[in-house]
Amino acid sequence: NAGVTQTPKFQVLKTGQSMTLQCAQDMNHNSMYWYRQDPGMGLRLIYYSASEGTTDKGEVPNGYNVSRLNKREFSLRLESAAPSQTSVYFCASKTGTKSNQPQHFGDGTRLSIL
Amino acid sequence: AQTVTQSQPEMSVQEAETVTLSCTYDTSESDYYLFWYKQPPSRQMILVIRQEAYKQQNATENRFSVNFQKAAKSFSLKISDSQLGDAAMYFCAYRRNDMRFGAGTRLTVKP
Repeated sequence: NAGVTQTPKFQVLKTGQSMTLQCAQDMNHNSMYWYRQDPGMGLRLIYYSASEGTTDKGEVPNGYNVSRLNKREFSLRLESAAPSQTSVYFCASKTGTKSNQPQHFGDGTRLSIL
Repeated sequence: AQTVTQSQPEMSVQEAETVTLSCTYDTSESDYYLFWYKQPPSRQMILVIRQEAYKQQNATENRFSVNFQKAAKSFSLKISDSQLGDAAMYFCAYRRNDMRFGAGTRLTVKP
């Protein structure tokens, strides 16, 4: 089982360039999430999608947009990349909306903005 | 807003010994869930253990157990019989509506 798949695994961008990070899950999960991980700060939620057709802002949404393309796919877009967006990005998914269910994570995308 | 604090940036344990990682959180809610995730150098986030706040009994998963003190808002992770493969970053997380993570504790296991 692939679980949660993120592409690409690494990317280097120049300031001002745009980029879309892709995420797909094959577990038939309803909810999907995008996090960023910075040193000393743990993971912070950027956006999430509780179900197909819905998206909501998380803790740090500025500078990002998302699209829940279908139940499997949830993409994260940087329209005009900034050095402050250099980070490791994680996609996660979980079934249903009950809070006790754990999230399943992808392997992350390391993004560097020069 | 809920915050999660892990006061130990780094911890070290001898192989086969026991180590406890600390976590405190701030919330005004009474119904929520707590998790510990492990992140090895491969960067993958792996669920270690979870605890429902309405349950008084501490969760256990093989060598991993928690000490959940709801009144103190404390959720520590105890790893018994530490193994080299336990070396990783460990993140404590709180969930009510969305998930909030602590900054992590880097655990080193000495042979």
